[in-house]
Amino acid sequence: GNSVTQMEGPVTLSEEAFLTINCTYTATGYPSLFWYVQYPGEGLQLLLKATKADDKGSNKGFEATYRKETTSFHLEKGSVQVSDSAVYFCALTRNTGNQFYFGTGTSLTVIP
Amino acid sequence: DSGVTQTPKHLITATGQRVTLRCSPRSGDLSVYWYQQSLDQGLQFLIQYYNGEERAKGNILERFSAQQFPDLHSELNLSSLELGDSALYFCASSVGGGAVYGYTFGSGTRLTVV
Repeated sequence: GNSVTQMEGPVTLSEEAFLTINCTYTATGYPSLFWYVQYPGEGLQLLLKATKADDKGSNKGFEATYRKETTSFHLEKGSVQVSDSAVYFCALTRNTGNQFYFGTGTSLTVIP
Repeated sequence: DSGVTQTPKHLITATGQRVTLRCSPRSGDLSVYWYQQSLDQGLQFLIQYYNGEERAKGNILERFSAQQFPDLHSELNLSSLELGDSALYFCASSVGGGAVYGYTFGSGTRLTVV
């Protein structure tokens, strides 16, 4: 079946620290991979995506590389800010795109 | 503003009642998806419509139903409500299947069943 496993949170970092949130997936075929971010009281927003192996998605200083050999899509940022405090969701969809499979979310708090 | 509009933002109702949640997709998007987000279950896919037709079904209870109208807005009907139905209900839309561009989410409807 299709599933996504994310590292458990919550994660607390100091401002300017390096961030890694691990995500691994199980899927049949060749899925597309996504990271979504949810700020308090809001819906999920697309952060970045990669649609094939070795693609790197990037946005707002965040990056993730689609690694087929390790079935991973880890989210990284070199220097986090207080405004990055949110819940981050890793997700996949098959190319039919009829359903996204979301991880359980990882809560990040960045302290000044 | 994501372009996906959900109403109402908050809803408080009693057990046994019936409610309707409404979603207007982003302009040009033909697919609408409904998700339920609760603390213990995470994000659960309920159902997808594409251009008025049901395309995929997830963990949707029989007490729940949905439809997509000719103007592409969608409604999620929840009936015989139970305390456990309290959750955030999100609507998302996409141009096609979402595999290339992803979803655009609305800000959700928070349902509280008392």
